[in-house]
Amino acid sequence: QQPVQSPQAVILREGEDAVINCSSSKALYSVHWYRQKHGEAPVFLMILLKGGEQKGHEKISASFNEKKQQSSLYLTASQLSYSGTYFCGTENRTSYDKVIFGPGTSLSVIP
Amino acid sequence: DAGITQSPRHKVTETGTPVTLRCHQTENHRYMYWYRQDPGHGLRLIHYSYGVKDTDKGEVSDGYSVSRSKTEDFLLTLESATSSQTSVYFCAISSRGDRQPQHFGDGTRLSIL
Repeated sequence: QQPVQSPQAVILREGEDAVINCSSSKALYSVHWYRQKHGEAPVFLMILLKGGEQKGHEKISASFNEKKQQSSLYLTASQLSYSGTYFCGTENRTSYDKVIFGPGTSLSVIP
Repeated sequence: DAGITQSPRHKVTETGTPVTLRCHQTENHRYMYWYRQDPGHGLRLIHYSYGVKDTDKGEVSDGYSVSRSKTEDFLLTLESATSSQTSVYFCAISSRGDRQPQHFGDGTRLSIL
């Protein structure tokens, strides 16, 4: 079952912060985050493997709450280059070799 | 960048015709995936492979078949294309099935008239 992402879309001014949430109805094994710019392929950002784990990539970080089956992506001091669609992908414990992606969150950063 | 090549990059065809999309990798990765991307749905898994001649279904496998006769090639076939299969198709590879990133090809834009 596809994870749920919120918000569907967000518009930021440069320097503002944003949070994108991902939740699943199934027990999760890991959560992936990808970014896709218009007309391009999705690009891997990070994987979170353990409950409560946090990882960072430049000024982008994420957390994973295994008990709540949720993950959040934090974008700090956003830059124009952060614009794109962000997808979370989830692996659950019964089918851990398949990643199921959410519908995506469109992020637009404006000057 | 991971060595993944999808072909063709664009294709327009008619309803009822067979279509085959090819994904070729130079990374010797075990896992290969086919996704379709449609507005509002994100990336949906069609089929995947966990080795030569080893494949399994994804979320939206009806109307599609796959084959993998060599590690480097993963083919997606639409036996009789329908307009509902108009989409952008992405291939992805991964060194193992779980807890590893997927690297995506540039996509194939398929239009079925």
